[in-house]
Amino acid sequence: GENVEQHPSTLSVQEGDSAVIKCTYSDSASNYFPWYKQELGKGPQLIIDIRSNVGEKKDQRIAVTLNKTAKHFSLHITETQPEDSAVYFCAASIRNSGAGSYQLTFGKGTKLSVIP
Amino acid sequence: DTGVSQDPRHKITKRGQNVTFRCDPISEHNRLYWYRQTLGQGPEFLTYFQNEAQLEKSRLLSDRFSAERPKGSFSTLEIQRTEQGDSAMYLCASSHIQGVDEQYFGPGTRLTVT
Repeated sequence: GENVEQHPSTLSVQEGDSAVIKCTYSDSASNYFPWYKQELGKGPQLIIDIRSNVGEKKDQRIAVTLNKTAKHFSLHITETQPEDSAVYFCAASIRNSGAGSYQLTFGKGTKLSVIP
Repeated sequence: DTGVSQDPRHKITKRGQNVTFRCDPISEHNRLYWYRQTLGQGPEFLTYFQNEAQLEKSRLLSDRFSAERPKGSFSTLEIQRTEQGDSAMYLCASSHIQGVDEQYFGPGTRLTVT
């Protein structure tokens, strides 16, 4: 099955600096890569996603890049703010050819701390 | 537009007891997923419904676990004879069939088995 590795596990940045989180996946059939932000005591919140036919996607201060050849994708947050502090998860979707499931396989998460 | 809701938010139970959780997906979302998240880990897939049909189950879903979505709207997840290893956050997510992949999560139910 799919395996998603995520690095680093913790990341501290000064407010205003950029943060980069990287993930690799194992199954070349994966074609959808979302990123989630999870605050303490809450469920994961979808913040951005990218599909395999796109190399980069940007939404204000957040961008995601995908390298299908190398099987890795990254989250970039620019001009970080204290409210960006949370745990971020990458995920990959592998299609089950029989059932058409879109189950997500998650990385282990990155705890981002933005220091004011 | 209300998001995915889950009830209860917290549940403390003694080992051996049965527990049931409920998930109400976003209106008109016909796909519903259950995940389990333990401390310091990402969510792990448990099972998936399209409308009322349970189409996929993870090997994590032992015989003590059962999920239903009887009318294709809300879903329940029951754990029988709970064990301490069942302590986790149980997350529900939903998506629209035309949205294909965008899964929106509820706040989760935190289960503690003592």
